Amino acid sequence: DVKVTQSSRYLVKRTGEKVFLECVQDMDHENMFWYRQDPGLGLRLIYFSYDVKMKEKGDIPEGYSVSREKKERFSLILESASTNQTSMYLCAYEAYNEQFFGPGTRLTVL
Amino acid sequence: GQNIDQPTEMTATEGAIVQINCTYQTSGFNGLFWYQQHAGEAPTFLSYNVLDGLEEKGRFSSFLSRSKGYSYLLLKELQMKDSASYLCAVGNYGQNFVFGPGTRLSVLP
Repeated sequence: DVKVTQSSRYLVKRTGEKVFLECVQDMDHENMFWYRQDPGLGLRLIYFSYDVKMKEKGDIPEGYSVSREKKERFSLILESASTNQTSMYLCAYEAYNEQFFGPGTRLTVL
Repeated sequence: GQNIDQPTEMTATEGAIVQINCTYQTSGFNGLFWYQQHAGEAPTFLSYNVLDGLEEKGRFSSFLSRSKGYSYLLLKELQMKDSASYLCAVGNYGQNFVFGPGTRLSVLP
C-alpha cells in the first residue's frame, strides 16, 4: 500500500513562530494537496502541487506558503503563525481518480 | 464556484438503512466522491460516481444525478462502527477537490 506520512500528529506553537508541516508519500505520485479542516467548515484547500517546484493556490492560501523540492515531499509553511491557524491540517496525494489522506497534524497556536 | 451542502447531523439505529444527501452547484467536475472520517482520523475513500446512476459497493451505495445537482450515499445494515462523518466532494483529476461540510452520523443500538 502507498502511504502518506505527516511529520507530527500534534503540534503546539506560539504566535509569530514559523511552522513547517511536512508530508511525504512513498510513491511517485505527482499531485499533492494541503487542506485544513475546521468544525462546521469541512475540508478547505490551501495549496496543491502538480509536480516538483510547481504550486497552485487553493481556496484559502493567505498566511501560508508551500515547497515542493522533491516529488515525494510537499511542505506547508506558516511564515508567522496566528491563533486563527489553529486547526487540523491534512495532506493528500491523488492517484487513480482518488485522494488519499495522511493521518493529519493537529496544530494549536497559542 | 462550487457550493456543496449536506445535513449537519443524522441519527439512525443499528441494522437500519440511512441515506445521506449531498447537493452541489458547480460548473463541472469529473467525479463525485464520498469519504468516511472517524473522529480524530483522516478521511478514507468510500466510493465515487462519474456517470449518473447507482454504484454499489457492499453495504454502501452512492447515487449521482448531474442534471439535478444531487448525490446520496446509502448505508445498509448499519453497524455501530459506521458512526462517523461522511464527506461529499466534487473533483477533477489533476485539480483540486472541493469538499462539503460533512454529515455526522450517529448509529444507536
